[in-house]
Amino acid sequence: AQTVTQSQPEMSVQEAETVTLSCTYDTSESDYYLFWYKQPPSRQMILVIRQEAYKQQNATENRFSVNFQKAAKSFSLKISDSQLGDAAMYFCAYRNPGDDKIIFGKGTRLHILP
Amino acid sequence: EAGVAQSPRYKIIEKRQSVAFWCNPISGHATLYWYQQILGQGPKLLIQFQNNGVVDDSQLPKDRFSAERLKGVDSTLKIQPAKLEDSAVYLCASSFLQDPMNTEAFFGQGTRLTVV
Repeated sequence: AQTVTQSQPEMSVQEAETVTLSCTYDTSESDYYLFWYKQPPSRQMILVIRQEAYKQQNATENRFSVNFQKAAKSFSLKISDSQLGDAAMYFCAYRNPGDDKIIFGKGTRLHILP
Repeated sequence: EAGVAQSPRYKIIEKRQSVAFWCNPISGHATLYWYQQILGQGPKLLIQFQNNGVVDDSQLPKDRFSAERLKGVDSTLKIQPAKLEDSAVYLCASSFLQDPMNTEAFFGQGTRLTVV
């Protein structure tokens, strides 16, 4: 069975600095999708960034980028120029294209220090 | 484009009572998920539908939880009877079916259930 592990329950970063959130996963599949979702106190899950496993190039969305290491089964999220609005829970998620099942990690709570 | 709609937003019930949650997914999304999120934890998949068929309900406590998706659109999740440990946020999400161009799931705002 696939699993997703986020080993950092909480992290803090100074406003305008850069922070990296870690995620590892376990799967025997070669084709899959990975996501980072943000969940602010409003509870609404918002997609931050996605990565297709068949793509070697790391995904980037404005201040958000990933470091996808397929062999190591690692998928970290880098947030550059951190802003107060980035404070939230961040969840790493894995999707198996075969059955569309989506599995989440336990999350990392990110604090932004002014 | 309208998002995933869930109701109610909040619900407080006493233990042993029953409760139902409703979800209306994004139009055209064949896959629908119900997740349970206990405070401070990640979402746990309870049940996954493709159209009106169940794909995975391996983590659904079937002695007290039930779910249905009528006509492959709206879905309801029911708990009867509720226990204190059912206090959580219940998230509904939907996505296109096995579409490599549209891979992410879209989430509703969730229902916060408190069992007292």
